[in-house]
Amino acid sequence: NAGVTQTPKFQVLKTGQSMTLQCAQDMNHEYMSWYRQDPGMGLRLIHYSVGAGITDQGEVPNGYNVSRSTTEDFPLRLLSAAPSQTSVYFCASRQGQVNEQFFGPGTRLTVL
Amino acid sequence: AQKVTQAQTEISVVEKEDVTLDCVYETRDTTYYLFWYKQPPSGELVFLIRRNSFDEQNEISGRYSWNFQKSTSSFNFTITASQVVDSAVYFCALSEASAGGTSYGKLTFGQGTILTVHP
Repeated sequence: NAGVTQTPKFQVLKTGQSMTLQCAQDMNHEYMSWYRQDPGMGLRLIHYSVGAGITDQGEVPNGYNVSRSTTEDFPLRLLSAAPSQTSVYFCASRQGQVNEQFFGPGTRLTVL
Repeated sequence: AQKVTQAQTEISVVEKEDVTLDCVYETRDTTYYLFWYKQPPSGELVFLIRRNSFDEQNEISGRYSWNFQKSTSSFNFTITASQVVDSAVYFCALSEASAGGTSYGKLTFGQGTILTVHP
């Protein structure tokens, strides 16, 4: 099993550009989530999904869109990148809400 | 809403010292799960432990131990005889378990504690 994979590992964008961060898992997990990690802020939940076709907002959803058309994939779209979105982004999945989450390796995004 | 607070932003110890990382949580749910994760300098997030709200037994795994006290809403993590390899950021997290609750499905993290173990 590859676990949770994320692409790209690094990305630099200019303000106003859009892009999609990819996330995939091969463990058939129901739950998938996107977090951003900023210094001193811990991991903050952006969006999450409890199954294909079902998504909901987390703590910091503004400026981001998600969709979940398959169990495996959970892409995160930045609609119009802003410098405030410079961060490290982690995707995670878990089977059921009570089990531990498995995290991807992260994407380091810089918005100039 | 659920909340996790790790009051210690940074801790610095010398190798072989014992160190305790504090975690305090808030939840209205009676059924919930608590987690600890480790993030070493390489950046990946590593799961350490899960504890459910009905099980207040302390747990020990090698040099690691966890003290869960429902009365004080705390889930503290102790490393005994710390080693340089323990240097990392440690996160405490909470997941509420009641279906239909406002936080259903969400895992909320604390701000993290940066632990540095000096040789």
